[in-house]
Amino acid sequence: DAGVIQSPRHEVTEMGQEVTLRCKPISGHNSLFWYRQTMMRGLELLIYFNNNVPIDDSGMPEDRFSAKMPNASFSTLKIQPSEPRDSAVYFCASTPRQGSHEQYFGPGTRLTVT
Amino acid sequence: QQPVQSPQAVILREGEDAVINCSSSKALYSVHWYRQKHGEAPVFLMILLKGGEQKGHEKISASFNEKKQQSSLYLTASQLSYSGTYFCGTKDNDYKLSFGAGTTVTVRA
Repeated sequence: DAGVIQSPRHEVTEMGQEVTLRCKPISGHNSLFWYRQTMMRGLELLIYFNNNVPIDDSGMPEDRFSAKMPNASFSTLKIQPSEPRDSAVYFCASTPRQGSHEQYFGPGTRLTVT
Repeated sequence: QQPVQSPQAVILREGEDAVINCSSSKALYSVHWYRQKHGEAPVFLMILLKGGEQKGHEKISASFNEKKQQSSLYLTASQLSYSGTYFCGTKDNDYKLSFGAGTTVTVRA
């Protein structure tokens, strides 16, 4: 199995630009998570989808952040407009179903906003 | 509520042992341990569901004391491959993991 796939792996953009991060979960997995990792705040859950439906978006920092999961094999995290403080590594993770113990993380997208 | 991990960092020589602690101010449903190597994604090590139960992964084991709301990860006879940052994650429902700040382990030859 290919594992969780994320793209791009690295993104450098200027403040004010729109950024879209992409995630393909493991085939057959019904739950998907977006995390953000920074030195200051550690690993934070941004949003959780189950069966393509957003269940918990309480970790989304501001209205500038939005996430979608149009189908079981694809999700996006969009930041518009981006700011320097959004610089972080963004991970996508999936599990077979809600309540599964092990989360399978993708390789992450390192975002730098200048 | 994030669990609290200690120590923040530990340096070991190959073959030495170490303990990483994780505590929570809330009652816990489960404790999850992950390891992240530099520049890579976190990888699941183990989960603890019952009080006092120990799990193992290679020579890495963990315990979970429900009453004290604490878990400890034991690195025994450490190997170079054990280097990385170890995170504990706690759940108080069936999907949301709250991760600790991490403990960076460096194992030297």
